[in-house]
Amino acid sequence: EVQVVESGGGLVQPGGSLRLSCAASGFTFSSYWMSWVRLAPGKGLEWVASINEDGREIHYVDSVKGRFTISRDNAKNSLYLQMNSLRAEDTATYYCARSAVCDGGRCYIDLWGRGTLVSVFS
Amino acid sequence: DIQLTQSPSFLSASVGDRVTITCRASQGISSYLTWYQQKPGKAPKLLIYAASTLQSGVPSRFGGSGSGTEFTLTISSLQPEDFATYYCQHLNSFPLTFGGGTEVEIK
Repeated sequence: EVQVVESGGGLVQPGGSLRLSCAASGFTFSSYWMSWVRLAPGKGLEWVASINEDGREIHYVDSVKGRFTISRDNAKNSLYLQMNSLRAEDTATYYCARSAVCDGGRCYIDLWGRGTLVSVFS
Repeated sequence: DIQLTQSPSFLSASVGDRVTITCRASQGISSYLTWYQQKPGKAPKLLIYAASTLQSGVPSRFGGSGSGTEFTLTISSLQPEDFATYYCQHLNSFPLTFGGGTEVEIK
């Protein structure tokens, strides 16, 4: 079955750290851009970060630059998000996502995990 | 950064209604736009990509149009399973952004 499964969420105090993982199966992980997208309570979807197939091209939303690090291990079919200096506004469900539907030079997210909840509170 | 403004943010409609959601970009994004459907507690689902291409397996009552700065998602005849929140997202350049969402509720 083609799927991605997130893990690593939990409760953390402001200033703390968490490492999210995403295990991919059923497809050739190393062939696709991967991303993290989050949904905060009562808010809309927010793109967080993306990484290309070999990990050499990475992009972040401004609000997490310098605090979050996206990485991947193609040998383990895994995507990661290291989150440091966490803030209350980082509280959200974090989704791992694959971009595999390509058209006109762009590849769109077509596969999402069920998400993992990160709660930052004091 | 490119901003996407969706309207309306909330929509109340009946089964069988034709529904149109608009997504406006703060600058031209060609056709690099996608539409997702999300139900509470579930992962988003890809409906439309490249502004107007229906994703495989998505019912034909969903349609997308537009290019440049104005885009629309149309549901030709609303079904009970279509009550959800809908988001647009652009892929013109980083940072990628989503619209604020449109919640479609049963009237």
